[in-house]
Amino acid sequence: QLVLTQSPSASASLGASVNLTCTLTSGHSTYAIAWHQQLPDKGPRYLIKLKSDGSHSKGDGVPDRFSGSSSGPERYLTISGLQSEDEADYYCQTWGPGIRVFGGGTKVTVL
Amino acid sequence: EVQLVESGGGVVQPGGSVRLSCVASGFIFSSYEMNWVRQAPGKGLEWISYISSRGASIYYADSVKGRFTISRDNAKNSLYLQMNSLRVEDTAVYYCAREREHFSDWGQGTLVTVSS
Repeated sequence: QLVLTQSPSASASLGASVNLTCTLTSGHSTYAIAWHQQLPDKGPRYLIKLKSDGSHSKGDGVPDRFSGSSSGPERYLTISGLQSEDEADYYCQTWGPGIRVFGGGTKVTVL
Repeated sequence: EVQLVESGGGVVQPGGSVRLSCVASGFIFSSYEMNWVRQAPGKGLEWISYISSRGASIYYADSVKGRFTISRDNAKNSLYLQMNSLRVEDTAVYYCAREREHFSDWGQGTLVTVSS
């Protein structure tokens, strides 16, 4: 069964870096994923697509401080130079034959 | 500029029906797969349905299978979700999303409240 696992919360100080992790279930470690940002009371926004080899592509207008990387079944989103406007929920998403899946989301708090 | 605009939400009684629409602009609608995703109050995103570019392939999440029907009219650049036998737990904001493997563009959502 294709499942994505995320930690419920993460926090870091203004200007610091924060790393979010999305873990694919065993047997699906080569799947690509996408990260989406959801600001409070807003719809989601596509940020970045990550492949298992670490290659990635970003959505239009996504700031350079957002980057991604991969290691085995884990997909990472790093936000460098954290800004107050980065306080949001972040969801990873993947796709397979006949199914689309979201992780449970990580709430990022800027201290 | 890609735009997806959902409509059709509102308050409906348990067991009732509602039809959501999503009008697309800024891209060749008929070339893209589309999805519906929902978000219950205070909860995460839940994928509920997919339709291929010409409607030949359709998938549903188990939570809505047999009750919801996705469709599209490429001549009208529109995506639809017919929701029948609604339950209180279907209360959510419903988003349409364009797919390019990943979900690349999102609408602003429309709220469906199932309540007596």
